[in-house]
Amino acid sequence: QVQLVQSGAEVKKPGASVKVSCKASGYTFTSYDINWVRQATGQGLEWMGWMNPNSGNTGYAQKFQGRVTMTRNTSISTAYMELSSLRSEDTAVYYCARVSYSSGWYPHFDYWGQGTLVTVSS
Amino acid sequence: DIQMTQSPSSLSASVGDRVTITCRASQGIRNDLGWYQQKPGKAPKRLIYAASSLQSGVPSRFSGSGSGTEFTLTISSLQPEDFATYYCLQHNSYRWTFGQGTKVEIK
Repeated sequence: QVQLVQSGAEVKKPGASVKVSCKASGYTFTSYDINWVRQATGQGLEWMGWMNPNSGNTGYAQKFQGRVTMTRNTSISTAYMELSSLRSEDTAVYYCARVSYSSGWYPHFDYWGQGTLVTVSS
Repeated sequence: DIQMTQSPSSLSASVGDRVTITCRASQGIRNDLGWYQQKPGKAPKRLIYAASSLQSGVPSRFSGSGSGTEFTLTISSLQPEDFATYYCLQHNSYRWTFGQGTKVEIK
């Protein structure tokens, strides 16, 4: 069965960086894009960016450009999202999600990781 | 990035009510839009894709319409299990964006 298992909760100080991992299993890792979405407590979903695990190509939301880096290690079927220059507003649950195109051009976040809480506090 | 303005941010409704949620795009996005439902503590679930196509397994009381810049999600007869938060997601450009969400609460 398809699973995305994320790394555990993190507490960081303002200005630091955090790197969240997302280990995929149950499918061919390089066949599906991975996207990252975050959600602050009681707030909405915020799309951060995508990565193609086969090519390593990425695309980021303008808001995070310059602060976020999405990478992968295909030998262990793991995607990573690193966010730098953290501030308190970055406190949120970060999710990885697999994207399928089973309905043609239209992307579907069909599997999600369990979420990683990142707390930024001095 | 394309901005998605979703309204209302919340609404109260009763079981059996017809509910409509709107998303407006800051520029034309054809029909490159999906609707997702999220319940507390759960991952979002896609209801609609291509603005108006029903995801397999989703009840037919959910429907979507629109193209270009204005889109709607309609629940024809609200059921107890539909109380949740709903988001639109545009994927027209290589930078995607969610609407701010609409929380549907019990009146």
